Amino acid sequence: AQTVTQSQPEMSVQEAETVTLSCTYDTSESDYYLFWYKQPPSRQMILVIRQEAYKQQNATENRFSVNFQKAAKSFSLKISDSQLGDAAMYFCAYEVIQGAQKLVFGQGTRLTINP
Amino acid sequence: DAGVIQSPRHEVTEMGQEVTLRCKPISGHDYLFWYRQTMMRGLELLIYFNNNVPIDDSGMPEDRFSAKMPNASFSTLKIQPSEPRDSAVYFCASSLSYTIYFGEGSWLTVV
Repeated sequence: AQTVTQSQPEMSVQEAETVTLSCTYDTSESDYYLFWYKQPPSRQMILVIRQEAYKQQNATENRFSVNFQKAAKSFSLKISDSQLGDAAMYFCAYEVIQGAQKLVFGQGTRLTINP
Repeated sequence: DAGVIQSPRHEVTEMGQEVTLRCKPISGHDYLFWYRQTMMRGLELLIYFNNNVPIDDSGMPEDRFSAKMPNASFSTLKIQPSEPRDSAVYFCASSLSYTIYFGEGSWLTVV
């Protein structure tokens, strides 16, 4: 069974600094997607970034980028120039390509931004 | 694009009452999902549909829960009778090409 592990329940960073959130996953599949979702206090789940496993190039979305290490089954999220609005729970998620489109979520990391 | 639309946003109901949560997926999306989020269990997939057909309802906790998708633009999740342990945020989500977009959630409190 696929599992996703976020080993950092909480992280904090100074505003304008850079922070990296960790995620590892376990799968026997070769083709899959990985995602980071952000959940602010409003509880809405917001898609931050997506990575296709077959792509070697790391995905980037403005201040958000990932470090995807397929062999190590690692998928970390880097947030540059942290802003107060980045404060949220961040969930790493995995989705296999073959068959059903089902997300497997990690436990989440609560990110605090210190002004 | 309007995104996934859920209603109601908040619902407080008494134990034993019927609760119906509604969802309008993003137009053109062929998958629809119902998730539940609680502090204890995190995010759980309850059921999902493909082209309006239920594919996997193994996450539905018990017979009190039911979900329908009568057409491509509407789905309901019903709890009857509701219990306090059903209190949670219920998310509807839809996807096309493997990227899943969530609605804002329905906060359910059963007292």
